Amino acid sequence: QKEVEQDPGPLSVPEGAIVSLNCTYSNSAFQYFMWYRQYSRKGPELLMYTYSSGNKEDGRFTAQVDKSSKYISLFIRDSQPSDSATYLCAMRDGGSNYKLTFGKGTLLTVNP
Amino acid sequence: GAGVSQSPRYKVAKRGQDVALRCDPISGHVSLFWYQQALGQGPEFLTYFQNEAQLDKSGLPSDRFFAERPEGSVSTLKIQRTQQEDSAVYLCASLLGGETQYFGPGTRLLVL
Repeated sequence: QKEVEQDPGPLSVPEGAIVSLNCTYSNSAFQYFMWYRQYSRKGPELLMYTYSSGNKEDGRFTAQVDKSSKYISLFIRDSQPSDSATYLCAMRDGGSNYKLTFGKGTLLTVNP
Repeated sequence: GAGVSQSPRYKVAKRGQDVALRCDPISGHVSLFWYQQALGQGPEFLTYFQNEAQLDKSGLPSDRFFAERPEGSVSTLKIQRTQQEDSAVYLCASLLGGETQYFGPGTRLLVL
């Protein structure tokens, strides 16, 4: 079993829909939780990160972390066709090594 | 300013050939990471440098993989005697501080 599990989808939604993406993990040492967006043939780009448990909001994006359940989520409100991409969750422990452990990624398509 | 650049963008190698992949991080970024992304998978950590010191190489899959960053700036990932299972996108990321790793576009390696 991988340390980070993420449903690869694909997920297809109409424009304006609320999208929910999530990951589960098994390593209780993880303290930093990130969501990256990756367009086709591009490198990943950081969307948001959260330290420990809680919620964080940035525009149309909300990240949630529940460490007791080892479960993280990303919500996208009012989804746009430009949001069509692969969304990767990533996490790391609290030490000085910044290496990230990624999920498989979820391919999202927002249809106009 | 310029982001992380990688070269070549595409590389086709015959099985058994040696290849060298180059990463130019963002100027002044102390930390540099290499990740391997197989088709349909999330990136997997290979190795991590802080300046010229290779602090973690636990993700390198075999002794055919070697990375260096001799002057604490440009890094090279070398793969000797390439195998078909080495076919993947090799991503480089750099970090100045905080949690934002900036990724390059990757080098797509195909081993025939």
